[in-house]
Amino acid sequence: GAVVSQHPSRVICKSGTSVKIECRSLDFQATTMFWYRQFPKKSLMLMATSNEGSKATYEQGVEKDKFLINHASLTLSTLTVTSAHPEDSSFYICSARMVASSSYEQYFGPGTRLTVT
Amino acid sequence: LAKTTQPISMDSYEGQEVNITCSHNNIATNDYITWYQQFPSQGPRFIIQGYKTKVTNEVASLFIPADRKSSTLSLPRVSLSDTAVYYCLVTLPSGGYNKLIFGAGTRLAVHP
Repeated sequence: GAVVSQHPSRVICKSGTSVKIECRSLDFQATTMFWYRQFPKKSLMLMATSNEGSKATYEQGVEKDKFLINHASLTLSTLTVTSAHPEDSSFYICSARMVASSSYEQYFGPGTRLTVT
Repeated sequence: LAKTTQPISMDSYEGQEVNITCSHNNIATNDYITWYQQFPSQGPRFIIQGYKTKVTNEVASLFIPADRKSSTLSLPRVSLSDTAVYYCLVTLPSGGYNKLIFGAGTRLAVHP
């Protein structure tokens, strides 16, 4: 089956530093990937849509300069949290859809737990 | 995107059948209904998708009435490992290009 990985699974960083999270589709190509964040006991909130070879589309209220997204290849999208603050601590999840697939299914990664101290 | 409404939480016991109903009164003609399962500290996992009537796979069944304003996810003979949050989403069939907007979900607790 289609597998999406994320790296790292957990990261702790100091306030003011930047953190990069990778999302990879391991056995398929994805033109579109999505980034979500999830706070404890809450639902997933879509942050942005990552398109291979073009700029990401951000949801309302999500700062594009704070959350930098790069989708440089058909198997990799990265989310960089710049100048992280404690309120950025959250669970970040990506998902991907296959290229030219009639499937309606999105495949989710296992998530990355970010803690900013 | 059609908004969905589900119960916030449900409790069940091992071996019982669990039915989770989702309301989507404003569903559009081309929308499909999709259910995901999420365990703590993991990404969501696709369970089932349907358009109308009944869909069944190895994990669950999905019942959709003729007016499609609601749907019911049925989990047969649940076990402790079915304790999770279940999300009902309404999306176009080419779901990848269209955003998945998650509602609050239903937190299912299965007891021994």
